[in-house]
Amino acid sequence: DTGVSQNPRHKITKRGQNVTFRCDPISEHNRLYWYRQTLGQGPEFLTYFQNEAQLEKSRLLSDRFSAERPKGSFSTLEIQRTEQGDSAMYLCASSSGTDNSPLHFGNGTRLTVT
Amino acid sequence: GESVGLHLPTLSVQEGDNSIINCAYSNSASDYFIWYKQESGKGPQFIIDIRSNMDKRQGQRVTVLLNKTVKHLSLQIAATQPGDSAVYFCAEIYQKVTFGTGTKLQVIP
Repeated sequence: DTGVSQNPRHKITKRGQNVTFRCDPISEHNRLYWYRQTLGQGPEFLTYFQNEAQLEKSRLLSDRFSAERPKGSFSTLEIQRTEQGDSAMYLCASSSGTDNSPLHFGNGTRLTVT
Repeated sequence: GESVGLHLPTLSVQEGDNSIINCAYSNSASDYFIWYKQESGKGPQFIIDIRSNMDKRQGQRVTVLLNKTVKHLSLQIAATQPGDSAVYFCAEIYQKVTFGTGTKLQVIP
C-alpha cells in the first residue's frame, strides 16, 4: 500500500498525559499536512510542511501541540498535557506540492482523552 | 459546538437514482475545488476536482459543476449504489485547503 499511513489508529489516554502520532506520507510527496476532525465536522487545518520546513500553523495549534518532519519524510504530532477537548480524529495528508494538487489523506488517529 | 456538528445535512436516495450534493464556498479567490468522500472510520478519499477556469468536469459516474457567479459547487452521482453511502465534503483551495461541513448520503436499497 503506497498511500498515507498513520499510527496508531486509536489512542486512549488520560488527561494530562502526552501523546505522539506518526504519519508516513506518499513517498514522492513533499508537502505534508495535519488536520483535526471532530464528529460531524469537516477537517480543520492545523499545520503543514514543505519538505522539512513547517510553513504554516493554525491558531488552533496551541503551544501544547508540536509537529515535526525532521528529514522531510515522516512527521510526528505531539500533544502535551492532553485535555478532554483534544479528543478528535487527527488526519494526515500529503500532496505533491505542485499548484492545485489534491491532498491524499490517511485514515487518521482517533484520540480519546478520558 | 459539538452538538451543532452532529446535525449533518442528510440526503437519502433510492438505489439506482441520481444524487446531487451541493456546496456553497466562501472565497471568491479560490481557484481549485475538490470533492471528498469519507466513510465511517476512514480518512477523506479524493473523488474529483475542478479548476476555476472550468464549469463542469466528469469522472466515472460523477460530475462536478462549478458556478463561480454564486460560489456554488455540486457533485452529481449517477445510478447511486449502496457503496456510495458516506459523508461528502467539498474543499476550496486558495493558499490553503478549507473544508465545508459535509453532507451525509444515505442510499436506500
